[in-house]
Amino acid sequence: DAGITQSPRHKVTETGTPVTLRCHQTENHRYMYWYRQDPGHGLRLIHYSYGVKDTDKGEVSDGYSVSRSKTEDFLLTLESATSSQTSVYFCAISASLTPLHFGNGTRLTVT
Amino acid sequence: AQTVTQSQPEMSVQEAETVTLSCTYDTSESDYYLFWYKQPPSRQMILVIRQEAYKQQNATENRFSVNFQKAAKSFSLKISDSQLGDAAMYFCAYRGSNNNDMRFGAGTRLTVKP
Repeated sequence: DAGITQSPRHKVTETGTPVTLRCHQTENHRYMYWYRQDPGHGLRLIHYSYGVKDTDKGEVSDGYSVSRSKTEDFLLTLESATSSQTSVYFCAISASLTPLHFGNGTRLTVT
Repeated sequence: AQTVTQSQPEMSVQEAETVTLSCTYDTSESDYYLFWYKQPPSRQMILVIRQEAYKQQNATENRFSVNFQKAAKSFSLKISDSQLGDAAMYFCAYRGSNNNDMRFGAGTRLTVKP
C-alpha cells in the first residue's frame, strides 16, 4: 500500500457532529489527495495538497476542509457531518505526474 | 474540467476468454496520462496499467493491454485469458500534465464466469 495509513478504518457518527479523517504517509511524496467513492460515481476528488500548507479544492469540496501541516499528514474534516457524506473515503499520494497510490479507505456512516 | 466516461456499468466474461472495457475522456490538453485501476472486493485500489499520451505505442502489462486512440479520446482496456481473480471494479482515470489532480470514471464491474 505504498506506505499510506488511513485512520480510522470505520466510523459511525451522528448528523451535525464534526469528523476528522487522517492520512499518514511514509513515502515523503509531495502530493496527497482525498477522494470519496459512491456507487455510480466512481471516485470523486474532494481536496488535494501539493505541499505543506498548499491545498486546492476538487470537484466535491463543499462541506469539507483539509489541512496539511507536515509532509506526512493530510487531514480531512467534515465540519458538521450530513447523511449525504456517508461514503468510503480514500487517501492517495503521488510524486509529480506518477500514478496515485491509495490507502485502504475509511468507511464513514452518518446516521 | 476534464471528464472521464465509462459507458459499461457491468461486463461479464467467461474464464480464459478476452474482454474489453471502454473508456472515453474529454480534454483540451495535448499532454496527459491515462490509467486503469482495479478494485477487488478488498476495496484496495490497484494500478493495472498506464499510458502517456505522447507515446504512440499502446501499453501492455502481461495479460492487460490498452487501445489508446488519442484523436478519438478513447482508452480501452483489454484483458486476455481472463482469470477468476480478474473479477473486480475497473476504473479509468485521467491526469493532465499541467495539474496534479486525477479524475476517474464511474467504473465497470467485471464478472468472470468459470
